[in-house]
Amino acid sequence: DAGVTQSPTHLIKTRGQQVTLRCSPKSGHDTVSWYQQALGQGPQFIFQYYEEEERQRGNFPDRFSGHQFPNYSSELNVNALLLGDSALYLCASSESGTTHNEQFFGPGTRLTVL
Amino acid sequence: GDSVTQMEGPVTLSEEAFLTINCTYTATGYPSLFWYVQYPGEGLQLLLKATKADDKGSNKGFEATYRKETTSFHLEKGSVQVSDSAVYFCALKNQGAQKLVFGQGTRLTINP
Repeated sequence: DAGVTQSPTHLIKTRGQQVTLRCSPKSGHDTVSWYQQALGQGPQFIFQYYEEEERQRGNFPDRFSGHQFPNYSSELNVNALLLGDSALYLCASSESGTTHNEQFFGPGTRLTVL
Repeated sequence: GDSVTQMEGPVTLSEEAFLTINCTYTATGYPSLFWYVQYPGEGLQLLLKATKADDKGSNKGFEATYRKETTSFHLEKGSVQVSDSAVYFCALKNQGAQKLVFGQGTRLTINP
């Protein structure tokens, strides 16, 4: 059973560019959450998608947007990249309707903005 | 808002030493509490969890007890191994909320 997968593994962009990160949830999971983990910090919640809609959002600007597809996979888009957007971006999937909705994390995409 | 505070690292121990990593939280309601571990170059793995007061989560020799009276969820292990070297994150998820709230992480290094 494949776990949560993310692509690409690493990415280098320059300021002002746009980036798209991808996530495939664990089999049987229908909910995807995205987190940003800056170096030396804990992950910060960006948003969560369920039934192809954004269900909850953290304290991130509108430059961060997402999408969920009918197969439950998800994309995270970041526009007008800033140096401070350099981080590890983690995707987590969970199954709605289960007690405590345990989240399973992927290996992350390391984004470097130059 | 909800928050999690962990003891600052890094923590360096010798193999077979006793480990404690402190974690306290602030939350409205009755959150579930978690410890995640992150090995170098990898994502987060759930280590253990507790969903109500006085619950004890345990896994791979690690334990943590949900203490509502002290709002704490300290991680302990009686005898650490070199393979336990990683970054440990304490986290909470409040009732009705979708997001996990993480502490800043504690880097643990075990020397042989």
